[in-house]
Amino acid sequence: AQKVTQTQTSISVVEKTTVTMDCVYETRDSSYFLFWYKQTASGEIVFLIRQDSYKKENATVGHYSLNFQKPKSSIGLIITATQIEDSAVYFCAMREFYNQGKLIFGQGTKLSIKP
Amino acid sequence: GGIITQTPKFLIGQEGQKLTLKCQQNFNHDTMYWYRQDSGKGLRLIYYSITENDLQKGDLSEGYDASREKKSSFSLTVTSAQKNEMAVFLCASRYAEQFFGPGTRLTVL
Repeated sequence: AQKVTQTQTSISVVEKTTVTMDCVYETRDSSYFLFWYKQTASGEIVFLIRQDSYKKENATVGHYSLNFQKPKSSIGLIITATQIEDSAVYFCAMREFYNQGKLIFGQGTKLSIKP
Repeated sequence: GGIITQTPKFLIGQEGQKLTLKCQQNFNHDTMYWYRQDSGKGLRLIYYSITENDLQKGDLSEGYDASREKKSSFSLTVTSAQKNEMAVFLCASRYAEQFFGPGTRLTVL
């Protein structure tokens, strides 16, 4: 069965530092897609970054990058040079290749950036 | 670009009432979703639809019905609202990545 787990409920870091958020997943499929989304205080949810399971290179978009460790079923999100505006809840999600419709989310990690 | 609209923005119902939430998207996406988010919690999948007239149950489908009569719209019905229930219902659609609507906030008195 498909499952996504984020064990960190909240993280607080000082502005301009680097933070890593953890996510582990379970799937029987050999091919799948992993995503990170951000939910702001207003409730808006936006897509950040994606990793396809067949790609060995870690995805990078702006100051977001991924630490994909397939043998550990782990997809960490790394934010470098954090800014106050990065304060939000971050969700990890997974979609299996052979069940393209179903997208499952983790429980979320609340990130607070302090000045 | 495109947009997802959800109506109503706020929904107040009575215990036992049947309530319908609507979602429209103009991305021309095939797949649409309904999620429930309780306060401070993650998103739980209620229903999804990979094309017009298709319906697939998520992990939280009990107590809900859904309808996808057009590609652009996806409706969710709470079949019998539970007293003191409060949650935000989020609609999404996707081609590759998902785009989310602003949500419908449900309160049951």
